[in-house]
Amino acid sequence: AQTVTQSQPEMSVQEAETVTLSCTYDTSESDYYLFWYKQPPSRQMILVIRQEAYKQQNATENRFSVNFQKAAKSFSLKISDSQLGDAAMYFCAYTSPNAGGTSYGKLTFGQGTILTVHP
Amino acid sequence: GAGVSQSPSNKVTEKGKDVELRCDPISGHTALYWYRQSLGQGLEFLIYFQGNSAPDKSGLPSDRFSAERTGGSVSTLTIQRTQQEDSAVYLCASSSSQFGKAFFGQGTRLTVV
Repeated sequence: AQTVTQSQPEMSVQEAETVTLSCTYDTSESDYYLFWYKQPPSRQMILVIRQEAYKQQNATENRFSVNFQKAAKSFSLKISDSQLGDAAMYFCAYTSPNAGGTSYGKLTFGQGTILTVHP
Repeated sequence: GAGVSQSPSNKVTEKGKDVELRCDPISGHTALYWYRQSLGQGLEFLIYFQGNSAPDKSGLPSDRFSAERTGGSVSTLTIQRTQQEDSAVYLCASSSSQFGKAFFGQGTRLTVV
C-alpha cells in the first residue's frame, strides 16, 4: 500500500523568508503523481503544485517549487518570499494510475504540516 | 455548478440520530472522495468512487457509515446512530481523471451533542 509521510507537524517562517516543507512516500510503482495542497482557515483545500513522476524537471508555480527526489522518494515544497496569506495547513498527496482494484487512482494524503507566517 | 458543493455547511445533531451529508461534484468528474478531518488534524480517508467501479470502502470506520453515489454524480454519506466521536469536518472532492487534480468542497462541519 502507498503511504505518505509528513514529518513536520508544524513549521514557521518570517514574512519574505523561504521555508521548506518535507514529504516522503512509499510506493512500488514507477508511474505516479504527487501533489501539494493548501488548506487555509476557510477549510477550502486548494491545489498548490503537481509533479508527474516521469518528469525529471521539478515543478514550479510562481513562489512555490518542489524538490522531487525519485530515488529517495522525497517530495519537498519550497515557498519563497513567504507571505502572510501562505499561512495554512499543507498536505502532500500521492496517486498512481497503476494501483489495481478499488484503489485505482485513489489520492493518499499525508498528515499535514501547519505553516505559520510571522510578520 | 462551478465547483464541488457540499450541504449542509454545518450540522448539529443529537447523539443517536442519523445524518445525511450531500456532495455535488463537478459535472463530468468520474472520481469522488469522502474524507474526515477532526479539529486540527489531517485527512482521514473514508470512501472513494471511481466511475462505475466498485467503491473503495476501506476507510469507513464502522458499519454505521455508508455512502452512495447515484447516477455517477451526487453522493450521500450517511452516518447512523451518531456518536460524539463522529464530530468532525467531512470533506468531499472530485477529480476528472484517475490522476488529475482533485477539487474539494468546503466541507460539512458535523457536531454531535
